[in-house]
Amino acid sequence: AQSVAQPEDQVNVAEGNPLTVKCTYSVSGNPYLFWYVQYPNRGLQFLLKYITGDNLVKGSYGFEAEFNKSQTSFHLKKPSALVSDSALYFCAVRDTLSGGYQKVTFGTGTKLQVIP
Amino acid sequence: KAGVTQTPRYLIKTRGQQVTLSCSPISGHRSVSWYQQTPGQGLQFLFEYFSETQRNKGNFPGRFSGRQFSNSRSEMNVSTLELGDSALYLCASSLVAGVQQETQYFGPGTRLLVL
Repeated sequence: AQSVAQPEDQVNVAEGNPLTVKCTYSVSGNPYLFWYVQYPNRGLQFLLKYITGDNLVKGSYGFEAEFNKSQTSFHLKKPSALVSDSALYFCAVRDTLSGGYQKVTFGTGTKLQVIP
Repeated sequence: KAGVTQTPRYLIKTRGQQVTLSCSPISGHRSVSWYQQTPGQGLQFLFEYFSETQRNKGNFPGRFSGRQFSNSRSEMNVSTLELGDSALYLCASSLVAGVQQETQYFGPGTRLLVL
């Protein structure tokens, strides 16, 4: 079975400071990992994904995520936060060992609040 | 290229009624998944369709059903609505299904309120 955990319900960061939104996962095989962002009254927007290769993945809007296999983590990061980054962030995972049509499992979401 | 579209965007129904939601995937995408999003339960997977066939199903009662048409458009139906069905229903499309690294692209959602 696959699962993903986002340990923080909310993260507050001052504008211009670096931000980190945490995600840990559990899979039987190797993971495919995704980050999505949701703005109020909108659907989820894809930010980035890890498939294989470099542990540092770069995505949209200046976001990046670091894959750490030993810690089973895929934390989302940005060097300098903007007020417009305030939104709900979701981490998601799929297990490479799951053949066929294994569904994507989403975390519970982390609300990011960037303070001016 | 147009994104995923969902209709209607907002809906108010009363208990016991039934509702049908529609989703049009990105052009060329053949897989459509449905999710229910609520403050308490987060994002919960409902089902996934590919080539007009349901490929996967989440843990929802039989009141929740769906189908996919030959043009890949999908509909979701909820019968005998309950108060707890009030939620944002999200549709996501991807190029194919059964490919683990495939990215899903989400529509804006249909917000359903059951009174």
